[in-house]
Amino acid sequence: DAGVTQSPTHLIKTRGQQVTLRCSPKSGHDTVSWYQQALGQGPQFIFQYYEEEERQRGNFPDRFSGHQFPNYSSELNVNALLLGDSALYLCASSLESRHISPGNSPLHFGNGTRLTVT
Amino acid sequence: RKEVEQDPGPFNVPEGATVAFNCTYSNSASQSFFWYRQDCRKEPKLLMSVYSSGNEDGRFTAQLNRASQYISLLIRDSKLSDSATYLCVVKGGGATNKLIFGTGTLLAVQP
Repeated sequence: DAGVTQSPTHLIKTRGQQVTLRCSPKSGHDTVSWYQQALGQGPQFIFQYYEEEERQRGNFPDRFSGHQFPNYSSELNVNALLLGDSALYLCASSLESRHISPGNSPLHFGNGTRLTVT
Repeated sequence: RKEVEQDPGPFNVPEGATVAFNCTYSNSASQSFFWYRQDCRKEPKLLMSVYSSGNEDGRFTAQLNRASQYISLLIRDSKLSDSATYLCVVKGGGATNKLIFGTGTLLAVQP
């Protein structure tokens, strides 16, 4: 039973470039959430995708966008990279469609993608 | 004010010590509470949920005080393997699964 997988594991980009990070949810999960974790900080919620739509968004600028595909996998895109975008990007999946109370499904995190912007 | 605030740490304790972490949250509508553990350069992993009545899992005890909006984690008989960052996590109000993390407290258990 595959857990949450993310690619790539590490990435180095320069300011102004664009980046795409990828996530495959745990088998059987239908919801993907993305988090940004800067050094020495806790993860910060970016957004969540369910049924191929963005369901909720945190306090991140429009440079951060995403997508969910019919197979539930997801991408996080960041445009016009800034030095401050350097962080660990975490993907978490959950199963929402079968829960009586949405939002109560446990989250499973992937190993993350470490992005360095120079 | 941050939505979830934790002791800044780091906590350096000898093996066998008892250590307590504290956390406060600002949204009184929050419904679910957790402690996550994060090892260096790894993803966060759920340590335990926190219930109003308090709950225990082996050497770990979690407490929740809704009136004070305060959460705690107690680790007894610390092991070297307990060294990690402990993240206090609150699920925001509403129907989504958005988790709000504290900055984490680093625990270093010394031999």
